[in-house]
Amino acid sequence: AQRVTQPEKLLSVFKGAPVELKCNYSYSGSPELFWYVQYSRQRLQLLLRHISRESIKGFTADLNKGETSFHLKKPFAQEEDSAMYYCALRGLGFNKFYFGSGTKLNVKP
Amino acid sequence: EAQVTQNPRYLITVTGKKLTVTCSQNMNHEYMSWYRQDPGLGLRQIYYSMNVEVTDKGDVPEGYKVSRKEKRNFPLILESPSPNQTSLYFCASSPWTGGDGYTFGSGTRLTVV
Repeated sequence: AQRVTQPEKLLSVFKGAPVELKCNYSYSGSPELFWYVQYSRQRLQLLLRHISRESIKGFTADLNKGETSFHLKKPFAQEEDSAMYYCALRGLGFNKFYFGSGTKLNVKP
Repeated sequence: EAQVTQNPRYLITVTGKKLTVTCSQNMNHEYMSWYRQDPGLGLRQIYYSMNVEVTDKGDVPEGYKVSRKEKRNFPLILESPSPNQTSLYFCASSPWTGGDGYTFGSGTRLTVV
């Protein structure tokens, strides 16, 4: 069965500290992985996808097929990074998405 | 501007009074979906639609109905709302394949008293 696991419900770090939001997945085929971000009282928006291999707002994520992980990282957290982060998986071929339960990132001053 | 529009943004209703939350997208997307978001539970899919007249249940469909008579619209219907349907609801759309994933609506906060 397809599943996306985000083990941390809440992650608190101080401004300037490195941050890593964990995401593990199980999928029988070749998935496509995404990170979505939801700032307070706003809609979810795409942060990055593994195919693009880009850095958005200083965040990066590498797909590790051996460990079936897609952790989101940023070397120096900023207060404006405080938000809810969702990891999502899309099965190859059509747009059925599976979301993790989300991790709330709190960056303290 | 490419977007998914949900209405209303906020709704307070009483138990048993039928309501509809509308969702419309202007991107000619085939795939549309409804999610509810609850604290500690993340996003749970209610229903989805792969194209006009094609809908299917997600993970938590009980108490909800949907229809897809036109490509752009995907309304969520609560025939007899109950307090456990108090939640934040999101509509989302995407192309059938490829693309950057979902475009989400701004959400509808529903309270059933």
